Amino acid sequence: NAGVTQTPKFRVLKTGQSMTLLCAQDMNHEYMYWYRQDPGMGLRLIHYSVGEGTTAKGEVPDGYNVSRLKKQNFLLGLESAAPSQTSVYFCAAGQHDQPQHFGDGTRLSIL
Amino acid sequence: TQLLEQSPQFLSIQEGENLTVYCNSSSVFSSLQWYRQEPGEGPVLLVTVVTGGEVKKLKRLTFQFGDARKDSSLHITAAQPGDTGLYLCAGGNFGNEKLTFGTGTRLTIIP
Repeated sequence: NAGVTQTPKFRVLKTGQSMTLLCAQDMNHEYMYWYRQDPGMGLRLIHYSVGEGTTAKGEVPDGYNVSRLKKQNFLLGLESAAPSQTSVYFCAAGQHDQPQHFGDGTRLSIL
Repeated sequence: TQLLEQSPQFLSIQEGENLTVYCNSSSVFSSLQWYRQEPGEGPVLLVTVVTGGEVKKLKRLTFQFGDARKDSSLHITAAQPGDTGLYLCAGGNFGNEKLTFGTGTRLTIIP
């Protein structure tokens, strides 16, 4: 999807390892979001940001941290990966009252 | 917590048939968005409805927002294999930058 780029696209981790998922947007949107998508549960909001330097907790924040040091980037960190964090992670960007534009996802497996 | 339930969860029909999928909530939303997601990609916005009773058409797709702004439907006429995908509804509220996503309807159109 144009405008939001996620890296990496796939990753396999061992329990206890740490990693950072990167999200970059070129649309100059204020708001950025991290979701996880699991079968039968739809998209659940992990953390979000309403602007550079700000972050807030979403519906399922435990085990994750985020940073928004630059407006165009939103990073999602897993400090100590657990099997329950196996999922597909989506980043999105948007403006107030405007639709969200999604990246193509990062498929993460925790062994 | 606002919840959105989508039905049916799965739907498989023959090419050329008509279908309707539903998005229901006990809560009122200011706006309702429909997304389509294809395998390996992020959700892509199809339409946004903001007025109770509003009907929007996008080629063979007709979207309706309920009068009370608690529910929405998506009707597809003469379904085609290209309509195959996961359809997600998402509700928003003015002044709140977060969307609430439904669990999705996975649609398969059989050629």
